[in-house]
Amino acid sequence: EDQVTQSPEALRLQEGESSSLNCSYTVSGLRGLFWYRQDPGKGPEFLFTLYSAGEEKEKERLKATLTKKESFLHITAPKPEDSATYLCAVLYSGGYQKVTFGTGTKLQVIP
Amino acid sequence: DTGVSQDPRHKITKRGQNVTFRCDPISEHNRLYWYRQTLGQGPEFLTYFQNEAQLEKSRLLSDRFSAERPKGSFSTLEIQRTEQGDSAMYLCASSFRAGGTDTQYFGPGTRLTVL
Repeated sequence: EDQVTQSPEALRLQEGESSSLNCSYTVSGLRGLFWYRQDPGKGPEFLFTLYSAGEEKEKERLKATLTKKESFLHITAPKPEDSATYLCAVLYSGGYQKVTFGTGTKLQVIP
Repeated sequence: DTGVSQDPRHKITKRGQNVTFRCDPISEHNRLYWYRQTLGQGPEFLTYFQNEAQLEKSRLLSDRFSAERPKGSFSTLEIQRTEQGDSAMYLCASSFRAGGTDTQYFGPGTRLTVL
């Protein structure tokens, strides 16, 4: 049973073309939802932590939002350097300290 | 900078050999985690330490895998009698417990290739 599902699997955008990535989760007792960026051959780089529905966080061209069932990562006017795989992960009650990751969205931004 | 470091970054070994990886967490982080990631997948949890105590182990961690964190500082992950299916990126992360939820910061990973 998938607990964290990310969509789309891959996304190709023109530079400047805004879009959103989705992360839906089915766990109960959410303690935190995390967004990471991962470049090929490297470890995940932390972006945001969201704790409760309605929360929003922003960093440069990225904005993360959270509802009771899903999170969105909005990318405004992306640049080629935003190309990466974006991973969503959840920490939930009953999962102890185990963070469960989705499979990621591979974003390509074309100049 | 005091980010999470891992050594080696790449390891190529023959099936049946033993390998050991090292992780140095961010200083003052009391929690340390190991994950495994295969191509096209998200990281999968393997095990977790709080200080020197190993508090959680995944079913993915077979008897051939062992992890230690002596003195609550660096950690090692050993794989005995490696198999081709062990080929993956092994990631280490650390966090500092501050309340109920702490953010994990990842190292660059060790890429293992088993021939």
